[in-house]
Amino acid sequence: AQSVAQPEDQVNVAEGNPLTVKCTYSVSGNPYLFWYVQYPNRGLQFLLKYITGDNLVKGSYGFEAEFNKSQTSFHLKKPSALVSDSALYFCAVRDINSGYALNFGKGTSLLVTP
Amino acid sequence: GAVVSQHPSRVICKSGTSVKIECRSLDFQATTMFWYRQFPKQSLMLMATSNEGSKATYEQGVEKDKFLINHASLTLSTLTVTSAHPEDSSFYICSARVGQQNSPLHFGNGTRLTVT
Repeated sequence: AQSVAQPEDQVNVAEGNPLTVKCTYSVSGNPYLFWYVQYPNRGLQFLLKYITGDNLVKGSYGFEAEFNKSQTSFHLKKPSALVSDSALYFCAVRDINSGYALNFGKGTSLLVTP
Repeated sequence: GAVVSQHPSRVICKSGTSVKIECRSLDFQATTMFWYRQFPKQSLMLMATSNEGSKATYEQGVEKDKFLINHASLTLSTLTVTSAHPEDSSFYICSARVGQQNSPLHFGNGTRLTVT
């Protein structure tokens, strides 16, 4: 089965500092990976995806993610965190066995303090 | 960008009643929609894949008779929670994809269901 893991329940970072939210994947075949953000009582907003090509993917709101095949990782990064980035972040992988739905990690809560 | 509208955003119902949740793609046609369920502080679990004009495909462990899905048009899928019980209280989110299968899913804002 296609799956992703987010090892951290919460990440705390001071405003202006770089942030990293970790994700590792386990897939058969080529991975199709995604990052989403969720604000309280809302749906998910798409940030970025990796399908093929450059290992560094740039997305919305200044976020980027680095695909690392040898480490089977797809960590989300941002050079300078904002307080408004505080939210729940989900890594996801496309699952060809479920009509190409997405399988999500458990989520990582990001808290950016002023 | 693609917009998925979900209604209602919140619903409170009594145990034993049924609740219908609507999911609409506003500016695109969606032959496939996905219904997820999210428990507090947990991830999203795929419940079923809704296919326009055909029966939904349910994930293992999801009761198809309890969670009725209808996808009668290319812009509307509905999820009906039948004979709701308190354990059905949850956050339900629908999603749809624009374009090819490697495109991202677009999500509705979710429905908070509380069964009393």
